[in-house]
Amino acid sequence: IAGITQAPTSQILAAGRRMTLRCTQDMRHNAMYWYRQDLGLGLRLIHYSNTAGTTGKGEVPDGYSVSRANTDDFPLTLASAVPSQTSVYFCASSDGNRETDTQYFGPGTRLTVL
Amino acid sequence: GQNIDQPTEMTATEGAIVQINCTYQTSGFNGLFWYQQHAGEAPTFLSYNVLDGLEEKGRFSSFLSRSKGYSYLLLKELQMKDSASYLCAVKDSNYQLIWGAGTKLIIKP
Repeated sequence: IAGITQAPTSQILAAGRRMTLRCTQDMRHNAMYWYRQDLGLGLRLIHYSNTAGTTGKGEVPDGYSVSRANTDDFPLTLASAVPSQTSVYFCASSDGNRETDTQYFGPGTRLTVL
Repeated sequence: GQNIDQPTEMTATEGAIVQINCTYQTSGFNGLFWYQQHAGEAPTFLSYNVLDGLEEKGRFSSFLSRSKGYSYLLLKELQMKDSASYLCAVKDSNYQLIWGAGTKLIIKP
């Protein structure tokens, strides 16, 4: 069982380019999340999805979009990348039980925008 | 606003005990999590507290006091592989996780 996979592992991107970060889970979890992690800051939620077909905005959604066409996949798109989006991006999933669920993380994507 | 405070860095000796504190001010409380994150890797789940008291899991224990907005993670019999960042996170009234910046733990032989 792979758990959660993310692609690519790392990417260097020119400012203004469009980029999609991929995330796939095989645990049949209902909820999925995208975070960014920057030095000295806690993980910050970008977007989330409580179940397939629904998405919601987190703390820092501007410049990012997501979709949840099925249970397994939750891609994150940067429509026009800017240098401030340089970060490590983690995808996570949980069973969606609001009271008790635990989030499990993918290996991350290190993105550099020049 | 919502706030999670943890020390930025701590140093301890192999074989010793270390306590990592976390204080929080959040809109509501629906549980507190501790995660371990080795450099360059993903966070991995360590513990979950929703009621006051101590939860023990092998060498790791986590304590919660909801009235004080306080938790700690206790690591016993420290090993070199325990060198990592430890992240405290609180589930708020909207069931969203609010994360602290993490405590980098350095273990010296």
